[in-house]
Amino acid sequence: DTAVSQTPKYLVTQMGNDKSIKCEQNLGHDTMYWYKQDSKKFLKIMFSYNNKELIINETVPNRFSPKSPDKAHLNLHINSLELGDSAVYFCASSQDSGWRLYGYTFGSGTRLTVV
Amino acid sequence: DAKTTQPPSMDCAEGRAANLPCNHSTISGNEYVYWYRQIHSQGPQYIIHGLKNNETNEMASLIITEDRKSSTLILPHATLRDTAVYYCIVRVPSSNTGKLIFGQGTTLQVKP
Repeated sequence: DTAVSQTPKYLVTQMGNDKSIKCEQNLGHDTMYWYKQDSKKFLKIMFSYNNKELIINETVPNRFSPKSPDKAHLNLHINSLELGDSAVYFCASSQDSGWRLYGYTFGSGTRLTVV
Repeated sequence: DAKTTQPPSMDCAEGRAANLPCNHSTISGNEYVYWYRQIHSQGPQYIIHGLKNNETNEMASLIITEDRKSSTLILPHATLRDTAVYYCIVRVPSSNTGKLIFGQGTTLQVKP
């Protein structure tokens, strides 16, 4: 069973479109995250939710809107996609927002290409 | 969170030990050292963590110097599947921000 699953794995879309990426975890973790990995391979946090409540928003443009219907799901909706949004987006989860010692579990990533 | 410095790349022969260094000279007393790796086209994977004692698990060993200003991740018998980017991260486990700060990492190439 996949612990953290993201869909879709690949997403190619045109500028100006709106798209969503879904994430689900079956680990019973309280906290979920979205990370962005750019073309230079740097990983940066975007958002964090703890029990459906937003706790981290790292100055991400308003076009990005996370939604957590329950603590097992954290979706990412992106409006008016731009070329610079092309990246790999990783979902992750952890035991709680206080960063338990055993770290995070990451999904396999969604490669978004905006053309 | 303390800043870490790692060499950008390293090579290792298959079957030999891979020793990946990390400098964290500004680490504070309550910060732990964590290691993650990212194999190509996959999400980061937790490897090991420690505070001041050396640690070992089924994946690797972590050696932390007595002054805690540096550490070394050891993969005892590297395989081709260990080729990946390895990230050293230091932070307080109870921090309420919950975020990981990834640096550049070390790209380890295991060669046959």
